[in-house]
Amino acid sequence: QSALTQPASVSGSPGQSITISCTGTSSDVGGYNYVSWYQQHPGKAPKLMIYEVSNRPSGVSNRFSGSKSGNTASLTISGLQAEDEADYYCSSYTSSNWVFGGGTKLTVL
Amino acid sequence: EVQLVESGGGLVKPGGSLRLSCAASGFTFSSYSMNWVRQAPGKGLEWVSSISSSSSYIYYADSVKGRFTISRDNAKNSLYLQMNSLRAEDTAVYYCASLLEAAMAFWGQGTLVTVSS
Repeated sequence: QSALTQPASVSGSPGQSITISCTGTSSDVGGYNYVSWYQQHPGKAPKLMIYEVSNRPSGVSNRFSGSKSGNTASLTISGLQAEDEADYYCSSYTSSNWVFGGGTKLTVL
Repeated sequence: EVQLVESGGGLVKPGGSLRLSCAASGFTFSSYSMNWVRQAPGKGLEWVSSISSSSSYIYYADSVKGRFTISRDNAKNSLYLQMNSLRAEDTAVYYCASLLEAAMAFWGQGTLVTVSS
């Protein structure tokens, strides 16, 4: 159950777009369309932002989008806003288990 | 409104036991699989355990297998995590989360477990 690989940090200016990558293996990210993304503000519980690679739950802004190619999934946030500054985690289902990425700290400059 | 409220955390000595609870409301608890996820201080998220809606399927992370037991009581809309043989590395905030389409759709606020002598 090795963790998925995410960049430790990304940054962008308000209005810009950023992309966070999440690399796994053919046993997790590449093997299932069950990649999800979570946003976590300091001291708060995580919040589901994307499920099944590219689906947004009700209430999540359409500025958030997800995709996958091979063993790498990506989260793109367009039109960056100050409130987007948070930690982001990817996760993948894998054979009756779930694995998370190490997390990416997004800084809005 | 979906609500998940964890309780039962606290300070425990290495080798000790603790039982966490998660009270659910605002949705049909008995229809959903549930998970426990933990987060060590300053660290990332780690999946701990999962239980299907009828308790037929139960899974654990290797790091807790044989020491932790997940269970649920659908009549009480409650999820539990019995933690035995606790270690320092089990120190974390423990979240319960409902599972939907293989994603953790709703999360509680978490309960802190500290394992220290």
